[in-house]
Amino acid sequence: ILNVEQSPQSLHVQEGDSTNFTCSFPSSNFYALHWYRWETAKSPEALFVMTLNGDEKKKGRISATLNTKEGYSYLYIKGSQPEDSATYLCASSNQAGTALIFGKGTTLSVSS
Amino acid sequence: GAVVSQHPSWVICKSGTSVKIECRSLDFQATTMFWYRQFPKQSLMLMATSNEGSKATYEQGVEKDKFLINHASLTLSTLTVTSAHPEDSSFYICSARDPSGRADGELFFGEGSRLTVL
Repeated sequence: ILNVEQSPQSLHVQEGDSTNFTCSFPSSNFYALHWYRWETAKSPEALFVMTLNGDEKKKGRISATLNTKEGYSYLYIKGSQPEDSATYLCASSNQAGTALIFGKGTTLSVSS
Repeated sequence: GAVVSQHPSWVICKSGTSVKIECRSLDFQATTMFWYRQFPKQSLMLMATSNEGSKATYEQGVEKDKFLINHASLTLSTLTVTSAHPEDSSFYICSARDPSGRADGELFFGEGSRLTVL
């Protein structure tokens, strides 16, 4: 059974600050790592899907890295904006086509 | 991107009644949908995998006779909570895999349904 852990559980930053979150997952039988952004009253939306060790992906001010050997991924947000306020979910799968196992998420609050 | 619609967004029912939640893929066909449940301050927990035209696959500890899943078409999966009790009060959310068919494809989620059983 996969166990995906995310930290911190929540954090509050000022507009313009850069921040990062951690996701850890079992490194054995790893297949894919997903990051989702979940705004209140909306559906979770995919940010990144990564499969290869050393993968780095970027979308605007948000980027993510993946280390499958040690079982962790970082999500970075550069120059946080109030609209970045959301819960960021990490999820992992250990086999192609299987369902994702989610962490509890990191809730980010950005104040202006 | 692909759109998944879930209905109702929230429902309040009396203990002992049944509640049906619908999950529709609006602009693509979904042969597989996943149903998750989230209790306060917990992670999204997979309940079952819904397969079009066949029986759903339930996760350990999820009662298949209580949580009935029907995936009768390529665009609709339903979850029925039968004889609901207060402990079934939770947030239920469905998702479908990237319609491109990629095995590592992202999930597209519905809006979720908050169930409160009195």
